[in-house]
Amino acid sequence: GAVVSQHPSWVICKSGTSVKIECRSLDFQATTMFWYRQFPKQSLMLMATSNEGSKATYEQGVEKDKFLINHASLTLSTLTVTSAHPEDSSFYICSAREGQSHYEQYFGPGTRLTVT
Amino acid sequence: GQNIDQPTEMTATEGAIVQINCTYQTSGFNGLFWYQQHAGEAPTFLSYNVLDGLEEKGRFSSFLSRSKGYSYLLLKELQMKDSASYLCAVMDSNYQLIWGAGTKLIIKP
Repeated sequence: GAVVSQHPSWVICKSGTSVKIECRSLDFQATTMFWYRQFPKQSLMLMATSNEGSKATYEQGVEKDKFLINHASLTLSTLTVTSAHPEDSSFYICSAREGQSHYEQYFGPGTRLTVT
Repeated sequence: GQNIDQPTEMTATEGAIVQINCTYQTSGFNGLFWYQQHAGEAPTFLSYNVLDGLEEKGRFSSFLSRSKGYSYLLLKELQMKDSASYLCAVMDSNYQLIWGAGTKLIIKP
């Protein structure tokens, strides 16, 4: 089956620094990638949708200048949390879809971010 | 607005059967998904229904009624490893997934 990887799997950073999370589709071309955030005991919250080669579409309430998303190739998308604060500590999960007609989203293993 | 409803938590006994319900109201419908998520891990795909009826896959089955905006996930012969959250999600007319809050399933010996 299709595999999506994320790196790093966990990261601890100091308040005010920036963190980059990578999401890669290993054996398929991901025309669309999704970034989710999940706080403890809550469901997934979609942050943004990115299509290869175009700007990401952010959900309401998500600051695009704080959460920078780049989808430069069909196999790689990155999420950069800029000037991180403790309230940004969360579980960040990416997923990828092969095409509009391909219904399934394949999830990465997630990245746990802790901001101290 | 778009809405997905499922129970917050359910408890069942090892070896028994449990049914997790999901009702939805969305702008358009391109299928309903069930995902399993263990604590601290990403969701894993369980099933996809786009036509009415029952889809069976081993111990897990998923049912859909589009006219009623209703689905259920049926888990048979429960095992302790089935303790997890089960997420219902509907793909809307824009091919975006609308997620339910998840049902935490607790399996007792």
